[in-house]
Amino acid sequence: SYELTQPPSVSVSPGQTARITCSGDALPKKYPYWYQQKSGQAPVLVIYEDSKRPSGIPERFSGSSSGTMATLTISGAQVEDEADYYCYSTDSSGNHRGVFGGGTKLTVL
Amino acid sequence: QVQLVESGGGVVQPGGSLRLSCAASGFTFSSYGMHWVRQAPGKGLEWVAFIRYDGSNKYYADSVKGRFTISRDNSKNTLYLQMNSLRAEDTAVYYCAKDSKLWQLLPSGLDYWGQGTLVTVSS
Repeated sequence: SYELTQPPSVSVSPGQTARITCSGDALPKKYPYWYQQKSGQAPVLVIYEDSKRPSGIPERFSGSSSGTMATLTISGAQVEDEADYYCYSTDSSGNHRGVFGGGTKLTVL
Repeated sequence: QVQLVESGGGVVQPGGSLRLSCAASGFTFSSYGMHWVRQAPGKGLEWVAFIRYDGSNKYYADSVKGRFTISRDNSKNTLYLQMNSLRAEDTAVYYCAKDSKLWQLLPSGLDYWGQGTLVTVSS
């Protein structure tokens, strides 16, 4: 079955740039989406269709893709950005299923 | 504003059944596909199922196929998940989420999520 692979954890100091990667064979064909989930809360969309930012999401959040790798970048990470981040995409094999990466715990301290 | 409110969670014995509901408001429900996603305690997100805007096509994760059924009532702006033959590994918070694309035939991204409802499968 299709998988998206993320690092389990990323740690940065406040004001530094955090980069979270997501790899998957279908990413050249299917858009990645990124979600932020803070403890005890529902996920929130932070990047859609590779690099677009929903209204209300700070400009420090950006997305990019190259081949089979997508990257979420938080430029000047803030303490309030500490959360779990998940990439999501869909299977291109004809199964028509959604897939989440395993999630990355971002620590900002 | 978009609101999604799940209900129907609770404690059920292994082998039992439960039906979850998701009441939608703030958008034209009948124009968007809808998803169910779950999260086991302390674990990551798992996509469960998708239903097309008109209910004519449904897609499931392998882990629930044949046991769970997604459906919708566009006249009531409500999404459902019928869960049968429940197992301990189905214990999770279940979220409903709106697909991001209008009139989408296949699963796409998810843009709005409910707050979730907890399902516990235990004897």
